[in-house]
Amino acid sequence: GAGVSQTPSNKVTEKGKYVELRCDPISGHTALYWYRQSLGQGPEFLIYFQGTGAADDSGLPNDRFFAVRPEGSVSTLKIQRTERGDSAVYLCASSRDSESNEAFFGQGTRLTVV
Amino acid sequence: KNQVEQSPQSLIILEGKNCTLQCNYTVSPFSNLRWYKQDTGRGPVSLTIMTFSENTKSNGRYTATLDADTKQSSLHITASQLSDSASYICVVSGYNNAGNMLTFGGGTRLMVKP
Repeated sequence: GAGVSQTPSNKVTEKGKYVELRCDPISGHTALYWYRQSLGQGPEFLIYFQGTGAADDSGLPNDRFFAVRPEGSVSTLKIQRTERGDSAVYLCASSRDSESNEAFFGQGTRLTVV
Repeated sequence: KNQVEQSPQSLIILEGKNCTLQCNYTVSPFSNLRWYKQDTGRGPVSLTIMTFSENTKSNGRYTATLDADTKQSSLHITASQLSDSASYICVVSGYNNAGNMLTFGGGTRLMVKP
């Protein structure tokens, strides 16, 4: 596609529920990043994929968070037993490779846990 | 720990005035530094990239500087326009065991008033 696409754009869920957030990167981009952004803050790193593998998942806050990228393109961020503190905008970015670090961002998924 | 600090956190200026945003980083080893502009509800978009050997780079009314010795960068906006109202995020790229990783600053929220 022309840009990074994230779905849904908005998600409201009840505390304790499971959610999946999807990211379609730019075609051919091998590097994919997930970030979380709270209101008024800069993006906070969660996980970085190079191809199908999670090269760095040190930003995932706890084991309720998990992400996959099984075919090296689309990625899904999964959050189990959601908590109100998980409410944020979840941004996905992709870049052509790990050397070319211009990351192109999607518009984000706004997650609200009530 | 790699860190990127930005100042001020927020700034209000009148249309037509100039302003300068600051970024200090401790990322090492350093690869390059980008300034991103993030409009409300959108993902960040790259404005300019600075590599180790570059001191100044301009993109229209935006001029970025880099001092790799003191690990400081600035973004100067000339003759501000209402459309410059956004968050400006400094992103530093540095190689680690996972490859080329991006460290984000917290951003400066700029509001340009008529």
